[in-house]
Amino acid sequence: GAGVSQSPRYKVTKRGQDVALRCDPISGHVSLYWYRQALGQGPEFLTYFNYEAQQDKSGLPNDRFSAERPEGSISTLTIQRTEQRDSAMYRCASSQTVQGYANTGELFFGEGSRLTVL
Amino acid sequence: AQKVTQAQTEISVVEKEDVTLDCVYETRDTTYYLFWYKQPPSGELVFLIRRNSFDEQNEISGRYSWNFQESTSSFNFTITASQVVDSAVYFCALGGGLDDKIIFGKGTRLHILP
Repeated sequence: GAGVSQSPRYKVTKRGQDVALRCDPISGHVSLYWYRQALGQGPEFLTYFNYEAQQDKSGLPNDRFSAERPEGSISTLTIQRTEQRDSAMYRCASSQTVQGYANTGELFFGEGSRLTVL
Repeated sequence: AQKVTQAQTEISVVEKEDVTLDCVYETRDTTYYLFWYKQPPSGELVFLIRRNSFDEQNEISGRYSWNFQESTSSFNFTITASQVVDSAVYFCALGGGLDDKIIFGKGTRLHILP
């Protein structure tokens, strides 16, 4: 697609429910990142993929959070047993370069998925 | 561990003035990448500039310029002849090296007053 697409744009859920957030990166982009952004704060790194391989998941807050990118394109961020503190904007970004020591390319961000946990 | 610090929380300048946004970073790596992103009131995150640690030249792109000083671990960003449309939150980011991931600072909110 022309840009990074995220869905849903808005999700309101009750505490304890599971949610799945989807990211469709720019066509041909090999790297995909997930960030969480609270109001008035910078994007907080969660995890990233090169192709289908999850390279770093050190930013996932706890084991309720998981992410996958099985075919190296679309990615899903899943939050199980949601809590109110999970409420935030979740942003996906993609890059055309393989991220790593020798090259780190700029990120192109989607519009985000705003999650509200009641 | 990598870290990005943007000490300026909020800045206000009058239109047409020049403004510099500060960024200080920490990394153990000798090869790394630095970025500036803009987040206007509409909320999207927009890439502005990228610089490699091994580039020697500081550059200018239109009204934007940046000053990389490895000796002080700083990567400052200047907008020349500011315009009201420049009002946004600006984020400095650091990536590459052993950790690979790209991390962001907390941002500086810039107000350009007409």
